[in-house]
Amino acid sequence: AQSVTQLGSHVSVSEGALVLLRCNYSSSVPPYLFWYVQYPNQGLQLLLKYTSAATLVKGINGFEAEFKKSETSFHLTKPSAHMSDAAEYFCAVSESGGSGNTGKLIFGQGTTLQVKP
Amino acid sequence: NAGVTQTPKFRVLKTGQSMTLLCAQDMNHEYMYWYRQDPGMGLRLIHYSVGEGTTAKGEVPDGYNVSRLKKQNFLLGLESAAPSQTSVYFCASRFVRNTGELFFGEGSRLTVL
Repeated sequence: AQSVTQLGSHVSVSEGALVLLRCNYSSSVPPYLFWYVQYPNQGLQLLLKYTSAATLVKGINGFEAEFKKSETSFHLTKPSAHMSDAAEYFCAVSESGGSGNTGKLIFGQGTTLQVKP
Repeated sequence: NAGVTQTPKFRVLKTGQSMTLLCAQDMNHEYMYWYRQDPGMGLRLIHYSVGEGTTAKGEVPDGYNVSRLKKQNFLLGLESAAPSQTSVYFCASRFVRNTGELFFGEGSRLTVL
């Protein structure tokens, strides 16, 4: 069974500081991994995804994540936080392609990012 | 570009009442999903469908039913609402042949009194 653990339900950083949101996964098959962002009262928007190509993945709004198989991690980073980055962030895992793949995403609990001026 | 549209966006029910949430997508996606979002629990899969006329149970299916009579629509029903079903519900869809990215609607906030 697949699972995702996000370490820290709340992360607070100062504007301009490094953002690091942690995600660890468990999967018995090669995974696809995703980070989604949710702004207040909105749906989820894809930030970036890992699909077994390059292990360092760049996404929108200056975010990137690195897939580390040995650590089963997919942490999200951004060098310099902006006030507009304040939102809730979700890490998710799904099975990689193949027959019988239903494309279900398993989500972590979410991390709320606060950016202080 | 409408994408994934959910109706209604807000609803208040009394315990025991029934209702249906409608999800419509205009991207010709084969797969569709219903998730619920609760504080501190992320999103949990209720039911999903891999094609017209097919449905399957997800992680938390009890108390919900679904139907996929048309490819573009996925309905989520509550036959007898309970306060534990107070939540924000999200519909999502995707193509069969892609790398797993889901496209989400904006959510439906349901309160059961």
